[in-house]
Amino acid sequence: EVQLLESGGGLVQPGGSLRLSCAASGFTFSSYAMSWVRQAPGKGLEWVSALSGNGGNTYYADSVKGRFTISRDNSKNTLYLQMNSLRAGDMAVYYCAKAFSGWANFDYWGQGTLVTVSS
Amino acid sequence: EIVLTQSPATLSLSPGERATLSCRASQSVSSYLAWYQQKPGQAPRLLIYDASNRATGIPVRFSGSGSGTDFILIISSLEPEDSAVYYCLQRSNWPLTFGGGTKVEIK
Repeated sequence: EVQLLESGGGLVQPGGSLRLSCAASGFTFSSYAMSWVRQAPGKGLEWVSALSGNGGNTYYADSVKGRFTISRDNSKNTLYLQMNSLRAGDMAVYYCAKAFSGWANFDYWGQGTLVTVSS
Repeated sequence: EIVLTQSPATLSLSPGERATLSCRASQSVSSYLAWYQQKPGQAPRLLIYDASNRATGIPVRFSGSGSGTDFILIISSLEPEDSAVYYCLQRSNWPLTFGGGTKVEIK
């Protein structure tokens, strides 16, 4: 059974940093591109970042470029999102998602982890 | 950036009725469009990928069509459990973009 389990969310002050993790199981992790998608409270979905299976290709939304870094450790079946210079607008539930074909047909999602940015 | 515009914002229908949801792209995305369903407090679920392919386990009452800039998701006969927000997502160009969503309410 495929499982994606996010962790690392919490309360952080504006300008602070946080690292999210997504532990994957039930599939050959290194074979699939992964993404982070976020959802601000009461708002719609926003794609944040994507990473190829071998980690060689990365993509970012303009809203996070230069502040967030996506990475993966295929030996640990884990996806990461390092978030720096956090702003109030980054407050959201962050989901990791597995793409079964191409980069963005997301067949499995985690349950999400909440990031709160507040002083 | 490709902008996806979904309409209507809200759809209120009775069980058994047909729901038609629209997603329009600001430029062609070929057939690289997917539909997701999200219920309150849950992660999104993939319904349709590449415009018209039903994802594994999705009931046949869900169907998708379109190409280029205009796409449609049809729920042929609404069930109470179809109450949710539906989002389209394009993967034609970076950055990936979602539409703003259509809320389907069951009367």
